[in-house]
This record gives sequence, structure tokens and C-alpha cells, in this order.
Amino acid sequence: GAGVSQSPRYKVAKRGQDVALRCDPISGHVSLFWYQQALGQGPEFLTYFQNEAQLDKSGLPSDRFFAERPEGSVSTLKIQRTQQEDSAVYLCASSRTTRTASSGANVLTFGAGSRLTVL
Amino acid sequence: AQSVTQLGSHVSVSEGALVLLRCNYSSSVPPYLFWYVQYPNQGLQLLLKYTTGATLVKGINGFEAEFKKSETSFHLTKPSAHMSDAAEYFCAVSEMAHGQNFVFGPGTRLSVLP
Repeated sequence: GAGVSQSPRYKVAKRGQDVALRCDPISGHVSLFWYQQALGQGPEFLTYFQNEAQLDKSGLPSDRFFAERPEGSVSTLKIQRTQQEDSAVYLCASSRTTRTASSGANVLTFGAGSRLTVL
Repeated sequence: AQSVTQLGSHVSVSEGALVLLRCNYSSSVPPYLFWYVQYPNQGLQLLLKYTTGATLVKGINGFEAEFKKSETSFHLTKPSAHMSDAAEYFCAVSEMAHGQNFVFGPGTRLSVLP
């Protein structure tokens, strides 16, 4: 597609429910990132995929968070047993090259985000 | 470790006035610096970036920023604000030229008054 698409745009969950957030990156993009943006804060890194391989998950806040990208395109971020502190906007971004590529012309393209509210 | 501070969580300017959004960073390696803009209900959009070379960087929509190593700053400016500039602005630092290991600042919300 022309841009990075995320769904749902808005999700309200009761505490303890599981949620799944989907990211459709730009077709052919190798790298995919998930970020968490709490209210009034800047985005914080969660995890990184290079094609289907999850190369960095150092930002995932707990083992309740799980991400996958099984075919190297669409990615899903799953949050189990949601807590109120999980309320945030979850941003997905993709880029054409790998994270360590030296091209200075490459940039990330962000989706509009999925806003999760946990009651 | 890298970090970014943005002085002023909310800045208001009059239409036509100078826009100045402040960004200071810390980095143990030569930094690559970025400004992103986020309009309501939209994703982040790259305004400009500094990697190497000229320290004054020009971006889209008339914005520019100057890298000052001695001051560890990368302030964003625009000579004349437009109503359409109202948005959230994020400064980010990375140790990679293409900026995929971002550390974002907390953001500055810019309001433009008629």
C-alpha cells in the first residue's frame, strides 16, 4: 500500500482482556518497528523485525507483550491480560532497508497508530 | 546512552511570528538528529534530519534546524508561523545515520494563534 496501515485505530479493553493490534507496512519494506507512545510522551521503542525475524525485543515492557511477523509483512502486537498502564498509542513504522544499513536517504514511515484504552 | 530534552511542552506563537522549538541531546557517540511532526490522529512525519556535513539543515514546510555540537542542541525554527503548523513536534537522536534506533524527546505542542 501507499502507507503504513494500522488497525484498529481505537480499542477499548477491560482490564485483564487480551488485545491484538495489526500493522500493515509498506509493501516490500524490510524493517518494521513497534513503538509505544504514552499520553504526553514521546514514542518509546518496543521491538524490531527484519523481515520475519524479531531481532530486538528489548523494549517490550513485560512478558505480557508479544509481537510477530510470520511472513515478513504484516505484524501483530499482542498484549495479554491488559493493565491500565498499557493505555497508550501503539505506533508501527517500516523502512525499506535494514536497521544497520548505511544509507542516509532511508527514513521510517509511521502509521497513524492504534490508541488503546484499558479500563 | 542517549537522551533528548525538549524545553517547553507547549509553545504558543502568533500567526506570522517566529517559531523556535528547543531540543537538547546527550550522546556518547556523534549523534544523528531528527525532527518529526505529528498532526492529530496521524503518524509521525519526518521534517528534517542532520547526519553529517552542513550543520544548518532545511526541511519541509519552511522549517530548519541547526546542529550546535558545543551546545548539544538542535533547535527547530521557522521564520513565520502558519496556522497549519499547529501540531506536536518531536526531536529524536540516533547513533545511526538512517535513524532507526531512535530515542525521542517528550514532544512540544505548537499552537498558532490568529
